[in-house]
Amino acid sequence: AQSVAQPEDQVNVAEGNPLTVKCTYSVSGNPYLFWYVQYPNRGLQFLLKYITGDNLVKGSYGFEAEFNKSQTSFHLKKPSALVSDSALYFCAVRDLGTGGFKTIFGAGTRLFVKA
Amino acid sequence: DTAVSQTPKYLVTQMGNDKSIKCEQNLGHDTMYWYKQDSKKFLKIMFSYNNKELIINETVPNRFSPKSPDKAHLNLHINSLELGDSAVYFCASSQGLAAPYEQYFGPGTRLTVT
Repeated sequence: AQSVAQPEDQVNVAEGNPLTVKCTYSVSGNPYLFWYVQYPNRGLQFLLKYITGDNLVKGSYGFEAEFNKSQTSFHLKKPSALVSDSALYFCAVRDLGTGGFKTIFGAGTRLFVKA
Repeated sequence: DTAVSQTPKYLVTQMGNDKSIKCEQNLGHDTMYWYKQDSKKFLKIMFSYNNKELIINETVPNRFSPKSPDKAHLNLHINSLELGDSAVYFCASSQGLAAPYEQYFGPGTRLTVT
């Protein structure tokens, strides 16, 4: 069965510092991985996805994510955090290899960026 | 020009009542979803429709009945509401089902059952 884990409930970082939000996954076939962001009282917004190819994926708002097959990880990164990046971040995985059409979301990681 | 819209945004009702939430997308997508987000922000798929056909029905009580009159609309009707139904319900859409398309979410409907 496919699953995704976000080991940190909360990440705190100072503005201007680099940030990392961690995600690990488990699938039986080839993984399709996504990051979404949720601002307070809003729906989720798509940030980026990994399908195949380069392990470093660039997305919206200066975010990027690194796919690591051996470590089954897909960590979200940003070189310089902004206060406006404070939000709830969800990692998600989809495993088409099993014939399933579901996207499984992680529990979310709350990012706080302090000025 | 909202991509995925939901109505109402807030819904407060008493136990035992029946209520509906409507969703519309203007993206021309084939696939639509309903998710439930609980108080701990955990997000779980409830239903998925592709070209008006039910694809995913995730162990949701029979009190929940989705309906897709056309590809652009997916409504959710809930009978005999219970306290445990209180949550935020999100509608989403994607370009298709059998490919790694990202999903576009609506703003959510906060349901409170008293």
